[in-house]
Amino acid sequence: DQQVKQNSPSLSVQEGRISILNCDYTNSMFDYFLWYKKYPAEGPTFLISISSIKDKNEDGRFTVFLNKSAKHLSLHIVPSQPGDSAVYFCAACLNFGNEKLTFGTGTRLTIIP
Amino acid sequence: DSGVTQTPKHLITATGQRVTLRCSPRSGDLSVYWYQQSLDQGLQFLIQYYNGEERAKGNILERFSAQQFPDLHSELNLSSLELGDSALYFCASSVGLLGLTGELFFGEGSRLTVL
Repeated sequence: DQQVKQNSPSLSVQEGRISILNCDYTNSMFDYFLWYKKYPAEGPTFLISISSIKDKNEDGRFTVFLNKSAKHLSLHIVPSQPGDSAVYFCAACLNFGNEKLTFGTGTRLTIIP
Repeated sequence: DSGVTQTPKHLITATGQRVTLRCSPRSGDLSVYWYQQSLDQGLQFLIQYYNGEERAKGNILERFSAQQFPDLHSELNLSSLELGDSALYFCASSVGLLGLTGELFFGEGSRLTVL
């Protein structure tokens, strides 16, 4: 049972445009959400997170939006840069401090120069 | 460089064999997590240790076991290996139970190929 779903395995975006990566979840008890970025031959690295008490969190070019009623979150990257080409994983946990992160299957983002 | 070290980076072995994957967490981190990533799959949580004690368990097979030693490094033991165990195994660490901002710090992974 995939509780965190990233339905787009891949996405291509022109450099300078906005990249939007989507993530859906089924467990309404999830309370904290994170995005990780992974380059080839490297481990995932933390990008940005959001608590369920918020609907938006921004960090530079990266913004995460949370729609609890739709059980949907999205990551916006603007403007997109070639270095953003990577696999992006959405993850969720039951509450901040809970140990177990449930990851989605990832979306491979390719930024076209 | 996340500060998490995993060895070996690559491992090729045969079905039925046993392997041990090793992880050294970031200096000061007490929690160690093991995740498995099979082809085209997300990261599946296997097990977590906190300061030497098992803290949480995911879908870890009975053929797999792990431990965290007093120096906080951890080992994941995989036995009676099957073809389906071929995957990337990631170790991650955090300061406390899930870090100050909720993030985990991942190693580069150990790629296991079972032939």
